[in-house]
Amino acid sequence: GNSVTQMEGPVTLSEEAFLTINCTYTATGYPSLFWYVQYPGEGLQLLLKATKADDKGSNKGFEATYRKETTSFHLEKGSVQVSDSAVYFCALRRPLVRSGGSYIPTFGRGTSLIVHP
Amino acid sequence: EAGVTQSPTHLIKTRGQQATLRCSPISGHTSVYWYQQALGLGLQFLLWYDEGEERNRGNFPPRFSGRQFPNYSSELNVNALELEDSALYLCASSTGMGLTDTQYFGPGTRLTVL
Repeated sequence: GNSVTQMEGPVTLSEEAFLTINCTYTATGYPSLFWYVQYPGEGLQLLLKATKADDKGSNKGFEATYRKETTSFHLEKGSVQVSDSAVYFCALRRPLVRSGGSYIPTFGRGTSLIVHP
Repeated sequence: EAGVTQSPTHLIKTRGQQATLRCSPISGHTSVYWYQQALGLGLQFLLWYDEGEERNRGNFPPRFSGRQFPNYSSELNVNALELEDSALYLCASSTGMGLTDTQYFGPGTRLTVL
């Protein structure tokens, strides 16, 4: 079945440090890959996505590249801010068909990021 | 464009009671998903509705049920509440098909069972 593995948290960084949160996946076919962010007390927000191999998703200074050869979708940011402190979820989703199937999105367990001033 | 909305924001119940949670998807979205986010457990898939029908359900007991209305809004019902049902319940909506089918999440309903 499909699975997503994220690095264990919390990840603790100082402001302006470089961030990498690792994400690897197992899936058949060609899934779409996503990063979501959850700020304290809120629901999940889509951060970025990539739908095919070698695609790079980017948003708010965050980037992730769909690497099919290593089945990875690592999240990176060159200079983190205190406001980036949140929980980050990696997820995958296979193409859906209206006839059914079990193409339910699969989420990783989340990685907590704490950024200190 | 209005996002996914959920109500209530917080819900406090006692063991054995029933809870009803509501979700309104983004306009034009036909799929609604429900997830449970218990402390330390990540997101656990509960239910998926599309075009008014239940398409799939996760590994939860039958006392977790729901439905989707003709306007695509959805209700999650939890019967015979247990203490371990305390969690943040997230609803997400999507267009329902395709590689670019992205889920958009609501802010969640925090259910506390005493």
